[in-house]
Amino acid sequence: AQTVTQSQPEMSVQEAETVTLSCTYDTSENNYYLFWYKQPPSRQMILVIRQEAYKQQNATENRFSVNFQKAAKSFSLKISDSQLGDTAMYFCAFTQSYNTDKLIFGTGTRLQVFP
Amino acid sequence: SAVISQKPSRDICQRGTSLTIQCQVDSQVTMMFWYRQQPGQSLTLIATANQGSEATYESGFVIDKFPISRPNLTFSTLTVSNMSPEDSSIYLCSVLTGGLGQPQHFGDGTRLSIL
Repeated sequence: AQTVTQSQPEMSVQEAETVTLSCTYDTSENNYYLFWYKQPPSRQMILVIRQEAYKQQNATENRFSVNFQKAAKSFSLKISDSQLGDTAMYFCAFTQSYNTDKLIFGTGTRLQVFP
Repeated sequence: SAVISQKPSRDICQRGTSLTIQCQVDSQVTMMFWYRQQPGQSLTLIATANQGSEATYESGFVIDKFPISRPNLTFSTLTVSNMSPEDSSIYLCSVLTGGLGQPQHFGDGTRLSIL
């Protein structure tokens, strides 16, 4: 069965600095998709970034980028120039490329950005 | 992306009662899902809501406790039946609008507290 592990329950960073959130996963599949979602205190789940496993290039979205290491089954999120609005829970998620696109979530990392 | 309206946003209920949560999407979607997020925890998939047929439940969730309807491609309901304090959670609806590997988009969630 696929699993997603986030080993950092809490992280903190100063405004304008860079922080990296870790995520590892376990699967026997070769094709799959990985996501980072953000959940601010308002509790809405917001998509941050998406990575396709068959693409070597790391995905980027403005200040957010990933370091995808397929062989190591690692999918970390880097947030550059951190802003106060980045304070939230961050969830790493996995879905296989077939079947029902069922999302499997990690346990989350609580990120606090300090001024 | 689709606009998802989830109602109610929060409720406080007495044990033994039932509550129905609604999820309305502003466009037709291929798939709809219901998740539970217990306090301080990650998201766990309850079921996939199938249009015109019975929902597909994940291990640990049963239809008698969480009946789900999906009468059309834009609307679904989740009922939490015979509630106990252990059912106090955030319940989230999500939708899939694209093909394989596309991200799910989430409603704002329903915060449910059972007294």
